[in-house]
Amino acid sequence: GAGVSQSPSNKVTEKGKDVELRCDPISGHTALYWYRQSLGQGLEFLIYFQGNSAPDKSGLPSDRFSAERTGGSVSTLTIQRTQQEDSAVYLCASSAFEAFFGQGTRLTVV
Amino acid sequence: GENVEQHPSTLSVQEGDSAVIKCTYSDSASNYFPWYKQELGKGPQLIIDIRSNVGEKKDQRIAVTLNKTAKHFSLHITETQPEDSAVYFCAAPRRAGSYQLTFGKGTKLSVIP
Repeated sequence: GAGVSQSPSNKVTEKGKDVELRCDPISGHTALYWYRQSLGQGLEFLIYFQGNSAPDKSGLPSDRFSAERTGGSVSTLTIQRTQQEDSAVYLCASSAFEAFFGQGTRLTVV
Repeated sequence: GENVEQHPSTLSVQEGDSAVIKCTYSDSASNYFPWYKQELGKGPQLIIDIRSNVGEKKDQRIAVTLNKTAKHFSLHITETQPEDSAVYFCAAPRRAGSYQLTFGKGTKLSVIP
């Protein structure tokens, strides 16, 4: 596609369940980022993938959060044992230099 | 790592007036400064960026200026229109030589018709 695609666009899950969020980056972009945005707040860095290098996981808030990027393209962010404080919009971006964002996945933990 | 401060957090202007949003950064080695616009319910969209080898860049009604000595850069929107209402984020490389970005906390701009 022409832009960064994220799915699902909305996800409601029960507390304690695991969720997977998907990001399809722009073709050819070697860098991929995940950010979290709580309601009315700024962009909180979570994790960064660059080519075949080891990802920068320094922004992940706890060991319940993990992400992988298969084949240097699609990425999945997994949140295990979700908590209510995990409710936020999760944004993915990809870049060759300039970063382009997807529309985000709105996660609601009830 | 880079620290980016953005001001103001909210800004209201009358339609047709100018709006200015300012960001400061901490790492003097930073060399790339993008601005993003986020409309309600959408992801941030890159609207303009500047590299450290120039002091100003314009694109129609928007411009960005960079002061490397003072380590700040600003977004200028002239002749504001209601569709300019959004949250604007500045950013800078998280580490020198990296394309990872650290974002400011955002400015909510409201253009009053």
